[in-house]
Amino acid sequence: DTEVTQTPKHLVMGMTNKKSLKCEQHMGHRAMYWYKQKAKKPPELMFVYSYEKLSINESVPSRFSPECPNSSLLNLHLHALQPEDSALYLCASSQDIAQLGETQYFGPGTRLLVL
Amino acid sequence: AQSVTQLDSQVPVFEEAPVELRCNYSSSVSVYLFWYVQYPNQGLQLLLKYLSGSTLVESINGFEAEFNKSQTSFHLRKPSVHISDTAEYFCAVSVQGSGGSNYKLTFGKGTLLTVNP
Repeated sequence: DTEVTQTPKHLVMGMTNKKSLKCEQHMGHRAMYWYKQKAKKPPELMFVYSYEKLSINESVPSRFSPECPNSSLLNLHLHALQPEDSALYLCASSQDIAQLGETQYFGPGTRLLVL
Repeated sequence: AQSVTQLDSQVPVFEEAPVELRCNYSSSVSVYLFWYVQYPNQGLQLLLKYLSGSTLVESINGFEAEFNKSQTSFHLRKPSVHISDTAEYFCAVSVQGSGGSNYKLTFGKGTLLTVNP
């Protein structure tokens, strides 16, 4: 099973709302990632978790707050977002971030619209 | 720092025609190369990757890519495309990072392949 699942598929929120994106994998992977993808652009890395600890934060604004409750789950908490944060949010996982040439497996994404 | 260039933002072709999607990279160290495909309204799927060994790598759906170190290229080819191959294709590279962390995937800007009947 090489599946990464993400919920919800679509999300519409106002600038004062608080919402969460969820990601789950059951491949035993110890590295999980959040990416942001704007239309017609490649994915941009936001956060990396390794063994449930935050390893990398690519200078993401604090209105995005990641959380890794256990090795299979990754959340992205959203608060006070701006319309320019509207994008496709992709979750990915890999066996380990330290292995050369690791394949990252992507979920289908959550399409977020901020009004 | 590494970078990836996909020269063609869009490639329209007719069904059953051959196609080549170009990818060039720049890096001063050894690289690991990937092609990902993104079908409309979906996430990214790994198509194929080059880590080492044979420079020609193949996917299960008829695509192949050849690693050319001298030309720093990893072009993707298919001899005969189907309408279902219509998608965005991203070339990506990873290199050994500092502290042994090799997580960083650097993506090209993507090439939209449109297969017309």
